[in-house]
Amino acid sequence: AQSVTQPDIHITVSEGASLELRCNYSYGATPYLFWYVQSPGQGLQLLLKYFSGDTLVQGIKGFEAEFKRSQSSFNLRKPSVHWSDAAEYFCAVGVYYGGATNKLIFGTGTLLAVQP
Amino acid sequence: DAMVIQNPRYQVTQFGKPVTLSCSQTLNHNVMYWYQQKSSQAPKLLFHYYDKDFNNEADTPDNFQSRRPNTSFCFLDIRSPGLGDAAMYLCATSRVRFDRDSQQYFGPGTRLTVT
Repeated sequence: AQSVTQPDIHITVSEGASLELRCNYSYGATPYLFWYVQSPGQGLQLLLKYFSGDTLVQGIKGFEAEFKRSQSSFNLRKPSVHWSDAAEYFCAVGVYYGGATNKLIFGTGTLLAVQP
Repeated sequence: DAMVIQNPRYQVTQFGKPVTLSCSQTLNHNVMYWYQQKSSQAPKLLFHYYDKDFNNEADTPDNFQSRRPNTSFCFLDIRSPGLGDAAMYLCATSRVRFDRDSQQYFGPGTRLTVT
């Protein structure tokens, strides 16, 4: 069965420090992978996505993620965190549903706190 | 700007009193989704429409229904809300299946409280 694991429920980093959020997936076919960010009380905003090709994907707000097939991972990184990055981050795998539709399976999220 | 709009943003209903949540989109996307997100949990897909074709997730309770009268609008009906149905309900759209140019666009959500 398809699944996404985010091992870290809560992470605290200092402003200006680097960040890595972990994501592992289980999916039998070529995965479509996504990272979303959710600020309190808001919907989800797409940070970046991977479909194929270059395994290092650049996204918005200075985020990047690297797909490693051998490790079934898609970790999110940012070299220098800003206070406005405090939010919840969700990794998701896109599952082909059949026909022309699809669905996302989300991990349980990582809540990021940023210290001054 | 093209977007996904959800109304209301906050909804309070009484135990057992039917409630309807609304989603509209200006993206002209074929697919519309409803997710339930309980506190500190991942969004969970309830069902989706591809055009008028309704697709229910196997574990979605019968208490949850949906309607899509046209391309732009989709409704989530909860026939008899229980306390366990208190959650954020997220609507999302996508053009078709995943490809480099496609993704799911999410609305801001409706926070449902059941008293």
